[in-house]
Amino acid sequence: DGGITQSPKYLFRKEGQNVTLSCEQNLNHDAMYWYRQDPGQGLRLIYYSQIVNDFQKGDIAEGYSVSREKKESFPLTVTSAQKNPTAFYLCASAEDPTNEKLFFGSGTQLSVL
Amino acid sequence: GQNIDQPTEMTATEGAIVQINCTYQTSGFNGLFWYQQHAGEAPTFLSYNVLDGLEEKGRFSSFLSRSKGYSYLLLKELQMKDSASYLCAVKYDYKLSFGAGTTVTVRA
Repeated sequence: DGGITQSPKYLFRKEGQNVTLSCEQNLNHDAMYWYRQDPGQGLRLIYYSQIVNDFQKGDIAEGYSVSREKKESFPLTVTSAQKNPTAFYLCASAEDPTNEKLFFGSGTQLSVL
Repeated sequence: GQNIDQPTEMTATEGAIVQINCTYQTSGFNGLFWYQQHAGEAPTFLSYNVLDGLEEKGRFSSFLSRSKGYSYLLLKELQMKDSASYLCAVKYDYKLSFGAGTTVTVRA
């Protein structure tokens, strides 16, 4: 079945540690996105990639990094510079940047120990 | 910046109708989306409006007025499984900006 897979579902980070969230899609989509969701707030865009080997900062990119070396993969690294990393992280993809429909992964809940 | 407002919570009875309003002020506009999200799960696509008017899809309908910066999602014949958060999102510059979501609780 085609879809978008995020792993792990739950992740814990120690102080000063970098952690990487995985996002893989087999939908052959060009565009991929990372959003952060906090209670009572809307999804906020961290980074997005319109095509392989290219990505742009979203609204809250500080403390995060991404790569897009393969079309199907868009991992997100939460660095130690991100002082408030606890949130629900959602990865999404779209057939191309102009396509209206986003397909979301099931999310990763990141917590700080 | 982008500003998208929707009510925080709404409660309705099974079988009833509920209307969730969304107002927006954004730097661009390429369309308005509604997503449904159950707690701890991924958002799922419900509807998309790019032109003014009403789009009907089964029990769900969505309306858009671009001149007023206004949309609503209408849920008819409410079922218990409709209890979820409903997210309004505006597309601009190939990105989506989301509202905080409206939590709808359906009571028997």
